[in-house]
Amino acid sequence: GEDVEQSLFLSVREGDSSVINCTYTDSSSTYLYWYKQEPGAGLQLLTYIFSNMDMKQDQRLTVLLNKKDKHLSLRIADTQTGDSAIYFCAESSVDSNYQLIWGAGTKLIIKP
Amino acid sequence: KAGVTQTPRYLIKTRGQQVTLSCSPISGHRSVSWYQQTPGQGLQFLFEYFSETQRNKGNFPGRFSGRQFSNSRSEMNVSTLELGDSALYLCASSLSGEENYGYTFGSGTRLTVV
Repeated sequence: GEDVEQSLFLSVREGDSSVINCTYTDSSSTYLYWYKQEPGAGLQLLTYIFSNMDMKQDQRLTVLLNKKDKHLSLRIADTQTGDSAIYFCAESSVDSNYQLIWGAGTKLIIKP
Repeated sequence: KAGVTQTPRYLIKTRGQQVTLSCSPISGHRSVSWYQQTPGQGLQFLFEYFSETQRNKGNFPGRFSGRQFSNSRSEMNVSTLELGDSALYLCASSLSGEENYGYTFGSGTRLTVV
């Protein structure tokens, strides 16, 4: 079945850029998402990208999509302590009835 | 506008009992999905309801069931609770389940089975 993979941890210094990577297997993926989960909270949609786009920028967030390599990345510029959270990559497609297929989540650790 | 509301936030039950969790979607949203989140298995899809009908279902045993009411509020029921059912249960709503901007999640119900 379809799969989404992410590394489990990323550690960056405050003020640096964070780049969280994700790979997926579903070649019919239509939408790709990044969600953020803070401790004890639900999931917050950060941003999304259509599969026919290469890049999307939204304030400090930049999403890059390499459809050929099925690789998605989320760059957070000027990382702050408030960015500490788990970041989930997810994809959906018509083939999956638009159900979200989730990665395991990347825990972003901010070093002072 | 109000977000997705899940009640209760925390719940402690004993093995063998049953539990009902509630989810009120964003006003106007007709699709409600349920997920189980555990440290070991991550996020797993339980089921999705749209217009009072179960439209999609994940790979969970029949002990897990749900329903949706005419006002789009949804309930999830787990019968004969097992220790392994301890998890954060998340509900998400969207207009139709097919939009391109994803789902809005509630804060979840943390269920502990002892």
